[in-house]
Amino acid sequence: DAGVTQSPTHLIKTRGQQVTLRCSPKSGHDTVSWYQQALGQGPQFIFQYYEEEERQRGNFPDRFSGHQFPNYSSELNVNALLLGDSALYLCASSLVWERTEAFFGQGTRLTVV
Amino acid sequence: QKEVEQDPGPLSVPEGAIVSLNCTYSNSAFQYFMWYRQYSRKGPELLMYTYSSGNKEDGRFTAQVDKSSKYISLFIRDSQPSDSATYLCAMRDGANSKLTFGKGITLSVRP
Repeated sequence: DAGVTQSPTHLIKTRGQQVTLRCSPKSGHDTVSWYQQALGQGPQFIFQYYEEEERQRGNFPDRFSGHQFPNYSSELNVNALLLGDSALYLCASSLVWERTEAFFGQGTRLTVV
Repeated sequence: QKEVEQDPGPLSVPEGAIVSLNCTYSNSAFQYFMWYRQYSRKGPELLMYTYSSGNKEDGRFTAQVDKSSKYISLFIRDSQPSDSATYLCAMRDGANSKLTFGKGITLSVRP
């Protein structure tokens, strides 16, 4: 089992551009959550997807949007990139009834220049 | 005031030392408490998971939760250089899916 896989691992974008990050959950998991981790900070919850719908959302602007596909994989889209969007974006997968995020991917390092 | 505060670092200890890592929180609705270890350029790895108050031990790691004081701790016995990493506390309440993380503390164990 490959666990949670994210792509790409690194990305450099220009301010104002749009970016799409991808996540494949651990086999058997049906729920995907996305977190943003700025340098030197703890991860911050962006949103969670279950049954192809956004189940809960953190305090992030509408520029951040997502999608979950029937195979449970997920995308995170960020529009109109700002310098402050530079961070490590983490995907976590779980079963909907679990109370913790046991499995994180290694993240996508996004740099906005 | 942030919902979760974690002791600032970095922390450097000699190999074999007992390490104590601590977090405080302000949201009394938090019921589920976790500690994660994060190596450089990696995602967080779940170390310990505790529901409500009490102690939980797993090998060299012990997690403590004191809900009356809104305080959680992670103890590492016989620390090893391989324990050198950033440690994050995280918690959630019963109604919401999101985890709220502390800022993290970087631990260095010197051989």
